[in-house]
Amino acid sequence: EVQLVESGGVVVQPGGSLRLSCAASGFTFDDYAMHWVRQAPGKGLEWVSLITWDGIRTYYADSVKGRFTISRDSRKNSLYLQLHSLRTEDTALYYCVKSSDNYCMDVWGKGTTVTVSS
Amino acid sequence: QSALTQPASVSGSPGQSITISCSGSRSDVGTYDYVSWYQQHPGKAPKLIIYDVSNRPSGVSNRFSGSKSGNMASLTISGLQTEDEADYYCSSYTSSNTYVFGSGTKVTVL
Repeated sequence: EVQLVESGGVVVQPGGSLRLSCAASGFTFDDYAMHWVRQAPGKGLEWVSLITWDGIRTYYADSVKGRFTISRDSRKNSLYLQLHSLRTEDTALYYCVKSSDNYCMDVWGKGTTVTVSS
Repeated sequence: QSALTQPASVSGSPGQSITISCSGSRSDVGTYDYVSWYQQHPGKAPKLIIYDVSNRPSGVSNRFSGSKSGNMASLTISGLQTEDEADYYCSSYTSSNTYVFGSGTKVTVL
């Protein structure tokens, strides 16, 4: 069974940092690009970041560019998102998402919650 | 990277058909056939229901169909059922090698 399990979500103060992790299983992790997508409480989906299958290219939404860093570790079948200079508007449920071969997002984790509050 | 524009809500009676629009630009929907649709029930993760404008993943009901014309994509749900009550989001690949989601549409089955 294809599975994505996120972890690392916590309550953090504005300006703080944290790292989210996503453990992947049930598919060949190295073959697929991966995304992070977030959803603020009661709001819609917001695409955050993408990393290519080989980890060479990364892309970010303007709202997080320069503050967030996506990475992956093929030895651990894991995806990461490093979050810096956090703002209250970064409060959201963060989903780890597998990219398909067809430029869409075909497998979603259950998400991990990040709350930025003083 | 403005969100694609969707109606906030659409409703219909069981058995009816409804259509949800998704308006983008030449930088996304208008140029790429990489439009996908996601269904999200309350408290659940989104689920892919349409990819590449009009293709259904295995296991998704054929009551869901997608199309595109110019900068506008659409999702049609035919034979509306109570379990179709959910939030629906479109998404597109963009010319910046990024992705953008729609603002989301709440579907209510009357």
